[in-house]
Formats: sequence, structure tokens, C-alpha cells
Amino acid sequence: GENVEQHPSTLSVQEGDSAVIKCTYSDSASNYFPWYKQELGKRPQLIIDIRSNVGEKKDQRIAVTLNKTAKHFSLHITETQPEDSAVYFCAASGTGRRALTFGSGTRLQVQP
Amino acid sequence: DTGVSQDPRHKITKRGQNVTFRCDPISEHNRLYWYRQTLGQGPEFLTYFQNEAQLEKSRLLSDRFSAERPKGSFSTLEIQRTEQGDSAMYLCASSLDATKQFFGPGTRLTVL
Repeated sequence: GENVEQHPSTLSVQEGDSAVIKCTYSDSASNYFPWYKQELGKRPQLIIDIRSNVGEKKDQRIAVTLNKTAKHFSLHITETQPEDSAVYFCAASGTGRRALTFGSGTRLQVQP
Repeated sequence: DTGVSQDPRHKITKRGQNVTFRCDPISEHNRLYWYRQTLGQGPEFLTYFQNEAQLEKSRLLSDRFSAERPKGSFSTLEIQRTEQGDSAMYLCASSLDATKQFFGPGTRLTVL
């Protein structure tokens, strides 16, 4: 089955800096890669996603890049703000497998 | 609120008891998923419905777990003979197509 690895497990940045979270996946049949933000005690919230036919997608301060050959994808947050502090999860799914396989999460802390 | 809803939000039970959780997806979403999340981990897939058909089940879903979606709308997840290891957050998600999954607030189960 699919295996998704996520790094780093914790990330601390100063307000205004950029943050990058990286994930690798094992199943070459995976073709959909969402990112979720989860604040303490809250539900996972979909913040951005990318399909395998696209190399990069941007939405305001967040962007995701995908390298299908290397089987890795990354989340980039620019101009970080304290409200960006949360746990971020990457995930992957494919045509034959609708369920999402999640990474282990990255706890991002933005220091004011 | 037109998002995914779950009931109850919290459940405390004694080992050996049966529990049932309910999920109401976003209306017109024909896909429904159950995940389990333990502290510090990403959600783990349990089962997936498209309309009323249960199309995928994880190996995590032992014979003590059963899920239904009788009319293709709400779903129930039942755990029989609960064990302490069943303590977790049970999350439901729904989607309109094979991609964007939106999560409910979860049911936190504590087995004493």
C-alpha cells in the first residue's frame, strides 16, 4: 500500500519568514495530493491540493510543488503569521484507492 | 451549518461496551469516509462509501467494527466490545468527487 513520509516533525520560524514542509510517497499510482491544517482540538482543514498533471499550484501565501519523478511534494508558506501555527498534514490518494494516506504531521510554530 | 457534522462529540465508555457514532455529510456529497486519529498522528483510513455501497475497508477495521450508510446519506460506525486501544478521535469526511475531502469535527472516544 501507499506510504507517506513527512519532514520535519516540528518547525519553528519567525513571523514573516517562509516555511517549507516536505513529503515523499511510495505508490507511483497516487495522483492527488492535498494538504490539511489542523489546529488544536479542531478538524483537519483542507488548505490546498494538487493533482499529478500539475507541477505547482499557488493560493495567496501558500504554494505546493510536486515532483512525480522523485515522488515528493512540498508545501511552501511565505510571510508566515502567528495564525499559521498549527499541525500540517500531507496526504496522497490514487485512482484505485480513494482513501487518503496521511503523513505523520508537522507542527509549525510561528514566533511573533 | 452546511459542513460535515458528527454526533456525539465525546463518548466515554467502559471496556466491553458497544458504541455507535453518526456522521452527516455535506448534502449532495455522495462519498463518505471514516478515519481514526490518535494523538500526534495523522488520520488513518477505516472505510469508504460511495452512495450506500461500502467500497473500501482498511485492515484496521477489525470484525468488531461495522459501518453502514443505508440510504446513501448519513452513516453510522459501530464498535462492539470496545477495548482501551479503541480510544481515539473518529473523523468522518465527505466529498463530491474523488478528491477534496472535508472533515467533520470528530467524535472523541475514551474507553475506560
